[in-house]
Amino acid sequence: NAGVMQNPRHLVRRRGQEARLRCSPMKGHSHVYWYRQLPEEGLKFMVYLQKENIIDESGMPKERFSAEFPKEGPSILRIQQVVRGDSAAYFCASSWTSGGGRGNEQFFGPGTRLTVL
Amino acid sequence: KNEVEQSPQNLTAQEGEFITINCSYSVGISALHWLQQHPGGGIVSLFMLSSGKKKHGRLIATINIQEKHSSLHITASHPRDSAVYICAVRNTDKLIFGTGTRLQVFP
Repeated sequence: NAGVMQNPRHLVRRRGQEARLRCSPMKGHSHVYWYRQLPEEGLKFMVYLQKENIIDESGMPKERFSAEFPKEGPSILRIQQVVRGDSAAYFCASSWTSGGGRGNEQFFGPGTRLTVL
Repeated sequence: KNEVEQSPQNLTAQEGEFITINCSYSVGISALHWLQQHPGGGIVSLFMLSSGKKKHGRLIATINIQEKHSSLHITASHPRDSAVYICAVRNTDKLIFGTGTRLQVFP
């Protein structure tokens, strides 16, 4: 049973370009979370999605960032017109359920390291 | 003040020493996670706790809900334990993270 997959693992973009980060949750998981780790800082929540729905996007910057989790295919975190301050590691996690109980344990992907030149 | 505080921020130890990392939080939680992040950055979930104590190999995690405090213990530490250890609490459906404890174990 494959774990959470993220690709690409490393992404280099020039200022102004678009970055697309993909996350395939563990088999059977329908809840996806995106987190960002800025250099020398802790992890911060960005967005929580279920299939075709954004549940909580309170951690997403208001501009240039968007996320989706379509009925088929991976979850996508999209950053338009990237700036140097977007350089970070972006982690995706997935869970089977939300709420209480063991089913809500989040499993992390290996991350995508975005570098903006 | 951060909602999740870890101490110490940095920790060095000699191989074989007993290690304790502490985590205090100020928000309501449904569960607490201990995570490990190695150089190169992948994150591994070590424990998820909502009460009491859990043990896995040389690792022990405890939580006191009333005091809003958790500890991660490593017995008989080894250089391969060198990593950043992160405490994260589950608040609603998202995780709130501490800033991590950087552990270096020397042979």
